Parts: sequence; C-alpha cells; structure tokens
Amino acid sequence: DIQMTQSPSSLSASVGDRVTITCQASQDISNYLNWYQQKPGKAPKLLIYDASNLETGVPSRFSGSGSGTDFTFTISSLQPEDIATYYCQQYDNLPITFGPGTKVDIK
Amino acid sequence: EVQLVESGGGLVQPGGSLRLSCAASGFTFSSYSMNWVRQAPGKGLEWVSYISSSSSTIYYADSVKGRFTISRDNAKNSLYLQMNSLRAEDTAVYYCARDRQTYEFDPWGQGTLVTVSS
Repeated sequence: DIQMTQSPSSLSASVGDRVTITCQASQDISNYLNWYQQKPGKAPKLLIYDASNLETGVPSRFSGSGSGTDFTFTISSLQPEDIATYYCQQYDNLPITFGPGTKVDIK
Repeated sequence: EVQLVESGGGLVQPGGSLRLSCAASGFTFSSYSMNWVRQAPGKGLEWVSYISSSSSTIYYADSVKGRFTISRDNAKNSLYLQMNSLRAEDTAVYYCARDRQTYEFDPWGQGTLVTVSS
C-alpha cells in the first residue's frame, strides 16, 4: 500500500497568514493526488484534484503543487471559514489512501 | 443539485450485520462509479470500496474484503453496502461518494454512523 504522510499534524495561524501543508507519498504517484477540506461535523469536500487543479467554485486562495512523492497545499491568506482538517489522497494505486490530516485553526 | 443521502446506520453487536444505503439525486447515477469511505470517531479517512457504473468492476480494502459487499441499483439511483461479521473496529461514520473521475470523490453524502458494540 502507498503510505501518505502530512505535516504538520496541526497548526494555528492568524487571519491573513499564508498556510502551507506538505504531503509525502511512500512512492512515486506522479500527480495522482487530491486535497479535501473537512469542516467539523461535516463531510469532506474536494478542493484540489490532480495535485494542482482548483475545483470549480473553490476560492483562488487555495492552491496545490507537486509531483512524484512531494506535494504542497497552500492557503495564501487564511480566512476564519478555512478552519478545518485538510487531507491529501492518492489514487495512483489501490487501495486508495489518505494522509492522516492537518488540522488548521485560527490563532 | 447533486445530492447523496446515506441511511441504515445504527448500533449492532459484534458479529452482526447491517446494510447501508445511499440515495442519489441531481445527476445521472448510472453514469458514475461510486465509493464508500469511512471515518472512525476522531480519526482520518479510510477508503472502503468502489463499484463501477455498470457494477462490472468492484474493489475492496483488505480490512473489509470477504465481509462487506458493495452493490448498486441504477434503476433506483441507489448504492448499498452489506456489512457482515462486524467488528468493533468497523465503528465509523460511513460516507458514500461519487467518483467524479478516477477516484476524485465529489460530492460526499452526510454520512451514517455505524457503532459495533455489545
């Protein structure tokens, strides 16, 4: 199975700060990586697909980059409504696997 | 509006069975593959199972293989997960998710809680 790691596991930042989350795959997954946002008590929501493509309707402050084994998810200017846990997900090989998540809150 | 609504969760004893349903609306259900993903309380996301649009291709996570069965009824716009020989570690919120394109899960249902306990 492909193992996904994320760092940090949690972070606290101020409104307007730039926030960066990294995701690492245990083997080369090309760009077969998605990012999801899960707000407390809610279902996950797809934000970024194929590592860097912004889902329709998702604010442009969210972005993704990377390929191979190392990926980055960025919120360019953190907003109060961005409080959530963010997960990366690989789909290069079955089983589909998710990272452990990064919890983001406001300082 | 694209919508997925799960039902069928509840409390079940270890070794018991449960059948989850997911009702789809707002899109051509028969054109999309579907997935089940679960989330144990306070934990991360775990993919459980995949079924293609015609039911010709089915995959399972090793943790549920041989115990869970995914199926669908395109005439009823419904997805199912038959769960047998349930264990405490199966306790989770179970989400159905549309496979928009090659394991892009969008959208997700609101989830249904399955609790396995004596």
